[in-house]
Amino acid sequence: GENVEQHPSTLSVQEGDSAVIKCTYSDSASNYFPWYKQELGKRPQLIIDIRSNVGEKKDQRIAVTLNKTAKHFSLHITETQPEDSAVYFCAAKNDYKLSFGAGTTVTVRA
Amino acid sequence: DGGITQSPKYLFRKEGQNVTLSCEQNLNHDAMYWYRQDPGQGLRLIYYSQIVNDFQKGDIAEGYSVSREKKESFPLTVTSAQKNPTAFYLCASSMKGAGEKLFFGSGTQLSVL
Repeated sequence: GENVEQHPSTLSVQEGDSAVIKCTYSDSASNYFPWYKQELGKRPQLIIDIRSNVGEKKDQRIAVTLNKTAKHFSLHITETQPEDSAVYFCAAKNDYKLSFGAGTTVTVRA
Repeated sequence: DGGITQSPKYLFRKEGQNVTLSCEQNLNHDAMYWYRQDPGQGLRLIYYSQIVNDFQKGDIAEGYSVSREKKESFPLTVTSAQKNPTAFYLCASSMKGAGEKLFFGSGTQLSVL
């Protein structure tokens, strides 16, 4: 089955700086890569996703890049704000199943 | 908080007891999923269902059972065979069983007495 590894497990950044989270996947057949944000005590919510035929996608302050050859993808958050503090999960889809990374706890320091 | 509803929010299980977690959605989604969330381990798939009256095991199905008698409902039973049931359980749904753009419920925290 698919194995998704996510790094780092925790990330502390100064407000206004950028944050980068990296994930690798094992199955070259995986073709869809979403990112979910889970604020404390709340449900995970989809914030951005990318398909295997696209190398980069951007939505305001967040962007995702995908390198199919190396089987890794990354989430970039620019100009971080306090509301960006949360746990972020990457995932990879193979057939109908999503396999999630272990999560990254992001703390934005004021 | 409309869309997908999980109940109860907190649940306690006694030794040897089966407990059932409820998940209801009014999004008209075909597919529904159950995930288990443990600290530091991300989300792991227990069961999923792409259509009524059909469901498939996920990565950690042992000790769990599900049913999908109605499109709107996908209850999860944690049986006494699940020896380590303490976790946060998340239900999700998506259109057309594609495993994409999952909408999550607010979760049930299950603890063992």
